[in-house]
Amino acid sequence: GDSVTQMEGPVTLSEEAFLTINCTYTATGYPSLFWYVQYPGEGLQLLLKATKADDKGSNKGFEATYRKETTSFHLEKGSVQVSDSAVYFCALSVSLGGKLIFGQGTELSVKP
Amino acid sequence: DTGVSQNPRHKITKRGQNVTFRCDPISEHNRLYWYRQTLGQGPEFLTYFQNEAQLEKSRLLSDRFSAERPKGSFSTLEIQRTEQGDSAMYLCASSSTAGFNQPQHFGDGTRLSIL
Repeated sequence: GDSVTQMEGPVTLSEEAFLTINCTYTATGYPSLFWYVQYPGEGLQLLLKATKADDKGSNKGFEATYRKETTSFHLEKGSVQVSDSAVYFCALSVSLGGKLIFGQGTELSVKP
Repeated sequence: DTGVSQNPRHKITKRGQNVTFRCDPISEHNRLYWYRQTLGQGPEFLTYFQNEAQLEKSRLLSDRFSAERPKGSFSTLEIQRTEQGDSAMYLCASSSTAGFNQPQHFGDGTRLSIL
């Protein structure tokens, strides 16, 4: 079945470090791909999305490129801030109804 | 934009009791989704509605679970005869069908604790 696998956390970085969170997927058909973020005490928020191969989603300095050949959608940011500390979820959608299939989440902790 | 609203935020109940949660989606959104999230895991899809029609249900949704969206606006999720394994965060999301693969907007969730 369709699934998403993320790198395990927690990931701990110093401020201004480079961030990569790996995400790979298995899907029948052509999924849309998403990154959601959950800040402490808050609900899930859409961070970025890509709907077809080679699309790059970007928002708030984060980027992810839809790679069909490697079935990946890795999240990157050039310089993280303490305020980026959160749990990041990779997700896909293949159905007409748009239901999301999530990875297990990766906790990011950024230290000053 | 008032966002997706879920009530209550927390529910503590004894095993065997029935519970009901409510979700108010963003007003112009005609799709509404329910997910369940346990500690350290990503949300898992339970069911979704388009307007008042329930179009898909996960096998996770046992006979003890029922969801309704009677007028195509707010939705309720009821769990009958609760069990310890039902302890989780229950998330509601809504989206528009205008355009392709519109993003889902999530509420803050209802945390259910079974004693």
